Amino acid sequence: KAGVTQTPRYLIKTRGQQVTLSCSPISGHRSVSWYQQTPGQGLQFLFEYFSETQRNKGNFPGRFSGRQFSNSRSEMNVSTLELGDSALYLCASSSGLAGPDTQYFGPGTRLTVL
Amino acid sequence: QQQVKQSPQSLIVQKGGISIINCAYENTAFDYFPWYQQFPGKGPALLIAIRPDVSEKKEGRFTISFNKSAKQFSLHIMDSQPGDSATYFCAASRREYGNKLVFGAGTILRVKS
Repeated sequence: KAGVTQTPRYLIKTRGQQVTLSCSPISGHRSVSWYQQTPGQGLQFLFEYFSETQRNKGNFPGRFSGRQFSNSRSEMNVSTLELGDSALYLCASSSGLAGPDTQYFGPGTRLTVL
Repeated sequence: QQQVKQSPQSLIVQKGGISIINCAYENTAFDYFPWYQQFPGKGPALLIAIRPDVSEKKEGRFTISFNKSAKQFSLHIMDSQPGDSATYFCAASRREYGNKLVFGAGTILRVKS
């Protein structure tokens, strides 16, 4: 099976802009979770989508949002970018049928905010 | 109560030695404890996971030891190899959280040949 794919791999934006990141899960997986990874805060959970519905949410401001499509692909959006949003954004997919189950991470999208 | 504390921050081990990384958690409702390995430029990959109904789980050179009363768990890498050099994260979750993982801060392991 193909692994989790994330696009784009690298992104440079300026403060105030918005950005959309995409994640394609492993075929057959219905759960997609998003994490932010930074040197200072480590890996932090953003949200999880299962069958197009947000199932869990972390402690991030409303500028961070996501959605999932009927084919399980997911996007996350960050509006009004701040310098502190610079991070590696990781998505992880799993079957989602009985949580928690094994999550498979993609390579991430490296977002730099200038 | 959501924290998972991981130590040490970094670790240098000789080839063939044993690498030990420790984690402690606060929330007694956690019921799933995975370890992830991350290489530079890659996403984390599941190494091994344990649930609190067992005290130890071994897969190849990797062993998780779990102490429920102390709320601690550890990863032991036997016969450490240079290829094991990576960042290791412990994590915890609970059934009600779905797939939400609470991660430790990570341990950078370097195995010297």
